Amino acid sequence: RKEVEQDPGPFNVPEGATVAFNCTYSNSASQSFFWYRQDCRKEPKLLMSVYSSGNEDGRFTAQLNRASQYISLLIRDSKLSDSATYLCVVSASGTYKYIFGTGTRLKVLA
Amino acid sequence: GAVVSQHPSWVICKSGTSVKIECRSLDFQATTMFWYRQFPKQSLMLMATSNEGSKATYEQGVEKDKFLINHASLTLSTLTVTSAHPEDSSFYICSASGQANSPLHFGNGTRLTVT
Repeated sequence: RKEVEQDPGPFNVPEGATVAFNCTYSNSASQSFFWYRQDCRKEPKLLMSVYSSGNEDGRFTAQLNRASQYISLLIRDSKLSDSATYLCVVSASGTYKYIFGTGTRLKVLA
Repeated sequence: GAVVSQHPSWVICKSGTSVKIECRSLDFQATTMFWYRQFPKQSLMLMATSNEGSKATYEQGVEKDKFLINHASLTLSTLTVTSAHPEDSSFYICSASGQANSPLHFGNGTRLTVT
């Protein structure tokens, strides 16, 4: 089993739709969680950190479920510009070890 | 926010030559930096962890003598692809974090083409 798993997609959704991605992790000692966005032929960019209480940034909401060991990303009112690959990154407590999911590809269609 | 600068953004070289890629943390100190490679339509693959003042830690299958990493200061790590071959053509990206468990910040990547 991979340490961090994501559904690779692609998720094809119409503009304005709400879409959610999950990312599961196997190491219960994981401490920090992040969502990154990567556009084609570009570097990943931090979308948001994921906090225990959940957090929201505009149309994006991230949640952490420690009991079931997964994090989620919800995108509301999808825009064409949201089309990208979304990477889940998990870090174990007190380490510089970051584990990446393979990414979930999102296509928002006009 | 934290900025990581990577240079060059792209490079074309002839087979057999060596290419050096620089990764700098501009507004924070990074004792640890990471180097990745990404082939088209594939996931990021961690190549090595660069540690300031000590040897890099390479992932399984990555040749340390081919991909030389030097992390001589708290703000600079370099990756040298030695005796490059066409199969080394790829997108190389570095990242760094100011402290453990903080978000990683990525350089803008280097697209290497070996002819």
